[in-house]
Amino acid sequence: NAGVMQNPRHLVRRRGQEARLRCSPMKGHSHVYWYRQLPEEGLKFMVYLQKENIIDESGMPKERFSAEFPKEGPSILRIQQVVRGDSAAYFCASSPQGRNTIYFGEGSWLTVV
Amino acid sequence: DQQVKQNSPSLSVQEGRISILNCDYTNSMFDYFLWYKKYPAEGPTFLISISSIKDKNEDGRFTVFLNKSAKHLSLHIVPSQPGDSAVYFCAASYNYGQNFVFGPGTRLSVLP
Repeated sequence: NAGVMQNPRHLVRRRGQEARLRCSPMKGHSHVYWYRQLPEEGLKFMVYLQKENIIDESGMPKERFSAEFPKEGPSILRIQQVVRGDSAAYFCASSPQGRNTIYFGEGSWLTVV
Repeated sequence: DQQVKQNSPSLSVQEGRISILNCDYTNSMFDYFLWYKKYPAEGPTFLISISSIKDKNEDGRFTVFLNKSAKHLSLHIVPSQPGDSAVYFCAASYNYGQNFVFGPGTRLSVLP
């Protein structure tokens, strides 16, 4: 009974490159959430997706960030032209339909050099 | 505008004693509340939750209390153990999981 799987766990990118973070939800879960934790800060909501549908992206920066959750395959958080300020831990969480609890993956740590 | 607040950034407690972590919220639409524990370099782990129709929920050493009129909830850990040392996040949701808002966290240190 695998939990939420995130990869890569650690990613180093140079400024201007693209970062792609992947998240496979728990089996049977159809809802995916992405959160970001900057150093010494709390968890900030970014985006909430269901299969092939973005439900709430109110926490996503307006530029360079995008997310998808295709019919097949993992959810992807994509950051284009990364800057030093994008260095953070990115956490994915999932929940089943109609449930009010989300379960987190181990996180992906992005470092921009 | 912080909708979920945890005003104590850190808390130290002696092993065996009670740990009380507090959380306040401002949005009266929140109807479900959760606590998560997080160790360094790991993802948050779900601990316990409470619906707004209840004022108390208990699971082993963990009890969550909800005071809706005060918009306040607390997590009690009894007895505290060194392995409980972690950052604890309070979270709130509404519209049946449409949106989960997290507090900034409280770092708990349980001293042996």
